[in-house]
Amino acid sequence: DQQVKQNSPSLSVQEGRISILNCDYTNSMFDYFLWYKKYPAEGPTFLISISSIKDKNEDGRFTVFLNKSAKHLSLHIVPSQPGDSAVYFCAASYSGAGSYQLTFGKGTKLSVIP
Amino acid sequence: NAGVTQTPKFQVLKTGQSMTLQCAQDMNHNSMYWYRQDPGMGLRLIYYSASEGTTDKGEVPNGYNVSRLNKREFSLRLESAAPSQTSVYFCASGKGGRQPQHFGDGTRLSIL
Repeated sequence: DQQVKQNSPSLSVQEGRISILNCDYTNSMFDYFLWYKKYPAEGPTFLISISSIKDKNEDGRFTVFLNKSAKHLSLHIVPSQPGDSAVYFCAASYSGAGSYQLTFGKGTKLSVIP
Repeated sequence: NAGVTQTPKFQVLKTGQSMTLQCAQDMNHNSMYWYRQDPGMGLRLIYYSASEGTTDKGEVPNGYNVSRLNKREFSLRLESAAPSQTSVYFCASGKGGRQPQHFGDGTRLSIL
């Protein structure tokens, strides 16, 4: 049973516009969420995170929103740039999971068109 | 600063062969992790080591063993490789707790 779901396998956005990547989760014990970005033939790199005590966290062009009642989070990238083209993974953890194990979604491939 | 280094980058094995994947980090991190990523799937945790001297099973441990050799190194061993273990394997390290994990560039393993 998939506990972290990214229902859009791919997304195309024009350069300069907003990219919105979505993630849903089913385990109500999750209390910490992260987004990772992955380029081909490289490992994932950490992008931004949010704790369940917050509903928004911002870092430059990247903002993550958390809606706990809907068990939904989203990553906004504004403005989108061609270098943002990558696969984005949503991940979740909770303090009860040994060493804060991460559960990943399947990823969304973002293509930013110049 | 190398970060997390995985060797080898590519490997082809025959069914039944054994192999050890190596991982080393130079960030003085306490925790280390092994994941596998299959096509169209997210990363799944195989084993992790919260600190030197400890190891624990993750979501998909069957067919694998690990060794936390010291604080820097965490190896993953396939004793008798099976085609179902064809995957990309990622090693990661982190300070532990809520701190983000840092990933290596992966080992692409094919088992024929």
